[in-house]
Amino acid sequence: QQQVKQSPQSLIVQKGGISIINCAYENTAFDYFPWYQQFPGKGPALLIAIRPDVSEKKEGRFTISFNKSAKQFSLHIMDSQPGDSATYFCAASNTDKLIFGTGTRLQVFP
Amino acid sequence: EPEVTQTPSHQVTQMGQEVILRCVPISNHLYFYWYRQILGQKVEFLVSFYNNEISEKSEIFDDQFSVERPDGSNFTLKIRSTKLEDSAMYFCASSVVPWDFYEQFFGPGTRLTVL
Repeated sequence: QQQVKQSPQSLIVQKGGISIINCAYENTAFDYFPWYQQFPGKGPALLIAIRPDVSEKKEGRFTISFNKSAKQFSLHIMDSQPGDSATYFCAASNTDKLIFGTGTRLQVFP
Repeated sequence: EPEVTQTPSHQVTQMGQEVILRCVPISNHLYFYWYRQILGQKVEFLVSFYNNEISEKSEIFDDQFSVERPDGSNFTLKIRSTKLEDSAMYFCASSVVPWDFYEQFFGPGTRLTVL
Protein backbone atom coordinates (compact mmCIF):
# COMPACT_ATOMS: atom_id res chain seq x y z
CA GLN A 1 0.00 0.00 0.00
CA GLN A 2 3.03 2.25 0.31
CA GLN A 3 4.00 1.74 -3.34
CA VAL A 4 3.82 4.30 -6.10
CA LYS A 5 3.65 2.78 -9.58
CA GLN A 6 5.14 4.77 -12.43
CA SER A 7 4.98 4.33 -16.20
CA PRO A 8 6.43 4.24 -18.74
CA GLN A 9 9.91 3.12 -17.78
CA SER A 10 11.37 5.04 -20.71
CA LEU A 11 10.03 7.61 -23.14
CA ILE A 12 11.37 9.01 -26.39
CA VAL A 13 9.86 12.26 -27.64
CA GLN A 14 10.60 14.57 -30.53
CA LYS A 15 11.56 18.14 -29.72
CA GLY A 16 8.42 20.23 -29.41
CA GLY A 17 6.26 17.24 -28.50
CA ILE A 18 4.37 16.49 -25.30
CA SER A 19 5.85 14.09 -22.75
CA ILE A 20 3.41 12.36 -20.43
CA ILE A 21 4.41 10.29 -17.40
CA ASN A 22 1.84 8.56 -15.22
CA CYS A 23 1.79 7.47 -11.60
CA ALA A 24 -0.70 5.58 -9.45
CA TYR A 25 -0.90 5.09 -5.72
CA GLU A 26 -2.92 3.04 -3.25
CA ASN A 27 -2.59 4.83 0.07
CA THR A 28 -5.42 7.36 0.32
CA ALA A 29 -3.62 9.02 3.23
CA PHE A 30 -1.01 10.46 0.86
CA ASP A 31 -1.50 14.22 0.68
CA TYR A 32 1.54 15.50 -1.19
CA PHE A 33 2.63 14.49 -4.69
CA PRO A 34 5.91 15.93 -6.00
CA TRP A 35 7.77 15.26 -9.21
CA TYR A 36 11.55 15.18 -9.15
CA GLN A 37 13.95 15.54 -12.08
CA GLN A 38 17.33 13.83 -11.96
CA PHE A 39 20.24 14.33 -14.33
CA PRO A 40 23.06 11.75 -14.49
CA GLY A 41 25.41 12.09 -11.54
CA LYS A 42 23.15 14.54 -9.72
CA GLY A 43 20.63 14.34 -6.93
CA PRO A 44 16.90 14.56 -7.58
CA ALA A 45 15.63 18.13 -7.85
CA LEU A 46 12.05 19.15 -7.10
CA LEU A 47 10.28 20.10 -10.32
CA ILE A 48 6.67 20.66 -9.34
CA ALA A 49 4.32 19.38 -6.65
CA ILE A 50 0.59 19.19 -5.98
CA ARG A 51 -1.71 18.59 -3.04
CA PRO A 52 -4.99 16.68 -3.52
CA ASP A 53 -7.25 19.68 -3.04
CA VAL A 54 -6.59 20.77 -6.64
CA SER A 55 -6.88 18.80 -9.89
CA GLU A 56 -4.18 20.56 -11.85
CA LYS A 57 -1.09 22.67 -11.28
CA LYS A 58 0.91 24.37 -14.00
CA GLU A 59 4.37 25.88 -13.83
CA GLY A 60 5.71 27.01 -17.17
CA ARG A 61 5.86 24.01 -19.51
CA PHE A 62 5.23 21.53 -16.68
CA THR A 63 1.73 20.51 -15.57
CA ILE A 64 0.57 18.00 -12.98
CA SER A 65 -2.88 16.51 -13.47
CA PHE A 66 -4.35 14.87 -10.39
CA ASN A 67 -7.30 12.46 -10.27
CA LYS A 68 -8.15 11.78 -6.64
CA SER A 69 -10.93 9.27 -7.30
CA ALA A 70 -8.71 7.20 -9.59
CA LYS A 71 -5.68 7.66 -7.31
CA GLN A 72 -3.59 8.71 -10.28
CA PHE A 73 -1.48 11.69 -11.18
CA SER A 74 0.57 12.57 -14.20
CA LEU A 75 3.26 14.95 -15.38
CA HIS A 76 2.87 16.67 -18.74
CA ILE A 77 5.85 18.41 -20.31
CA MET A 78 4.73 20.68 -23.13
CA ASP A 79 7.06 21.71 -25.96
CA SER A 80 9.64 19.15 -24.80
CA GLN A 81 13.26 20.23 -25.27
CA PRO A 82 16.52 18.23 -25.46
CA GLY A 83 17.49 19.84 -22.13
CA ASP A 84 14.51 18.05 -20.55
CA SER A 85 16.25 14.72 -21.16
CA ALA A 86 16.57 13.27 -17.66
CA THR A 87 15.01 10.71 -15.34
CA TYR A 88 11.74 11.78 -13.75
CA PHE A 89 10.45 10.38 -10.48
CA CYS A 90 6.99 10.83 -9.08
CA ALA A 91 6.64 10.57 -5.32
CA ALA A 92 3.98 10.63 -2.64
CA SER A 93 3.95 11.36 1.03
CA ASN A 94 1.79 11.95 4.09
CA THR A 95 4.65 12.21 6.56
CA ASP A 96 8.21 13.42 6.10
CA LYS A 97 9.01 10.23 4.16
CA LEU A 98 8.87 10.45 0.36
CA ILE A 99 7.83 7.26 -1.43
CA PHE A 100 9.29 7.37 -4.92
CA GLY A 101 8.11 5.74 -8.12
CA THR A 102 10.49 3.65 -10.19
CA GLY A 103 11.44 6.48 -12.54
CA THR A 104 11.00 7.32 -16.21
CA ARG A 105 13.97 7.98 -18.43
CA LEU A 106 12.96 10.69 -20.90
CA GLN A 107 14.95 11.32 -24.05
CA VAL A 108 14.03 14.29 -26.23
CA PHE A 109 15.54 14.24 -29.69
CA PRO A 110 16.04 17.39 -31.81
CA GLU B 1 21.34 29.70 -4.25
CA PRO B 2 21.73 27.59 -1.09
CA GLU B 3 22.32 23.90 -1.67
CA VAL B 4 22.90 20.67 0.17
CA THR B 5 26.49 19.47 -0.10
CA GLN B 6 27.84 15.96 0.43
CA THR B 7 31.30 14.49 0.89
CA PRO B 8 32.95 12.46 -0.38
CA SER B 9 31.50 12.19 -3.86
CA HIS B 10 32.76 8.60 -4.14
CA GLN B 11 33.78 6.23 -1.36
CA VAL B 12 35.29 2.81 -1.96
CA THR B 13 35.53 0.46 1.01
CA GLN B 14 36.11 -3.17 1.86
CA MET B 15 33.26 -5.32 3.11
CA GLY B 16 33.07 -5.17 6.92
CA GLN B 17 34.61 -1.71 7.17
CA GLU B 18 32.88 1.29 8.72
CA VAL B 19 32.06 4.29 6.56
CA ILE B 20 30.82 7.75 7.42
CA LEU B 21 29.04 9.81 4.79
CA ARG B 22 28.84 13.52 5.42
CA CYS B 23 26.29 16.13 4.51
CA VAL B 24 25.90 19.85 5.07
CA PRO B 25 22.18 20.69 4.83
CA ILE B 26 20.88 24.11 3.85
CA SER B 27 21.56 26.39 6.80
CA ASN B 28 18.04 27.34 7.91
CA HIS B 29 16.60 23.84 7.39
CA LEU B 30 15.46 21.81 10.37
CA TYR B 31 14.55 18.41 8.89
CA PHE B 32 17.22 16.11 7.53
CA TYR B 33 16.99 12.88 5.58
CA TRP B 34 19.02 10.10 4.04
CA TYR B 35 17.89 8.21 0.98
CA ARG B 36 19.68 5.65 -1.14
CA GLN B 37 19.47 4.66 -4.78
CA ILE B 38 20.85 1.34 -5.94
CA LEU B 39 22.11 1.69 -9.52
CA GLY B 40 19.23 1.90 -11.95
CA GLN B 41 16.57 1.59 -9.27
CA LYS B 42 14.27 3.98 -7.46
CA VAL B 43 15.21 6.28 -4.63
CA GLU B 44 14.46 4.69 -1.24
CA PHE B 45 13.92 6.43 2.08
CA LEU B 46 16.29 5.48 4.90
CA VAL B 47 15.74 7.88 7.79
CA SER B 48 14.46 11.29 8.81
CA PHE B 49 15.91 13.36 11.63
CA TYR B 50 14.50 16.35 13.49
CA ASN B 51 15.42 18.06 16.74
CA ASN B 52 18.38 15.71 17.26
CA GLU B 53 16.21 12.61 17.06
CA ILE B 54 15.24 10.07 14.44
CA SER B 55 11.61 10.82 13.53
CA GLU B 56 11.11 7.92 11.13
CA LYS B 57 13.20 5.10 9.68
CA SER B 58 12.68 2.42 7.08
CA GLU B 59 13.25 -1.34 7.29
CA ILE B 60 16.53 -0.81 5.47
CA PHE B 61 17.84 1.34 8.34
CA ASP B 62 18.84 -1.49 10.68
CA ASP B 63 21.30 -1.58 13.58
CA GLN B 64 24.23 -1.22 11.18
CA PHE B 65 23.14 2.32 10.36
CA SER B 66 23.23 5.41 12.53
CA VAL B 67 22.84 9.13 12.01
CA GLU B 68 24.24 12.07 13.89
CA ARG B 69 24.30 15.84 13.82
CA PRO B 70 27.68 16.33 15.51
CA ASP B 71 27.62 20.12 15.25
CA GLY B 72 25.43 22.91 13.93
CA SER B 73 26.14 22.26 10.28
CA ASN B 74 26.98 18.62 9.54
CA PHE B 75 24.68 15.61 9.30
CA THR B 76 26.30 12.18 9.02
CA LEU B 77 25.29 8.65 8.10
CA LYS B 78 27.43 5.86 9.53
CA ILE B 79 27.40 2.29 8.33
CA ARG B 80 29.18 0.18 10.93
CA SER B 81 30.05 -2.95 8.97
CA THR B 82 29.45 -2.53 5.26
CA LYS B 83 28.01 -5.29 3.10
CA LEU B 84 28.21 -5.74 -0.66
CA GLU B 85 24.52 -4.84 -0.91
CA ASP B 86 25.17 -1.45 0.68
CA SER B 87 26.74 -0.34 -2.61
CA ALA B 88 24.50 2.49 -3.79
CA MET B 89 24.22 6.22 -4.20
CA TYR B 90 23.38 7.86 -0.88
CA PHE B 91 21.54 11.15 -0.96
CA CYS B 92 21.16 13.58 1.90
CA ALA B 93 18.17 15.92 1.83
CA SER B 94 16.87 18.73 4.01
CA SER B 95 13.70 20.74 4.35
CA VAL B 96 12.98 24.06 5.91
CA VAL B 97 10.35 24.11 8.63
CA PRO B 98 7.78 21.61 9.94
CA TRP B 99 4.78 23.12 8.18
CA ASP B 100 6.59 22.96 4.85
CA PHE B 101 8.61 19.86 5.48
CA TYR B 102 7.52 17.95 2.41
CA GLU B 103 9.63 20.09 0.04
CA GLN B 104 12.91 18.31 0.35
CA PHE B 105 16.12 19.52 -1.29
CA PHE B 106 18.61 16.83 -2.26
CA GLY B 107 22.39 16.88 -2.32
CA PRO B 108 24.45 15.52 -5.23
CA GLY B 109 24.99 12.18 -3.50
CA THR B 110 27.86 9.96 -2.38
CA ARG B 111 28.51 6.88 -4.46
CA LEU B 112 29.45 4.06 -2.05
CA THR B 113 31.19 1.04 -3.53
CA VAL B 114 31.70 -1.95 -1.23
CA LEU B 115 34.24 -4.50 -2.48
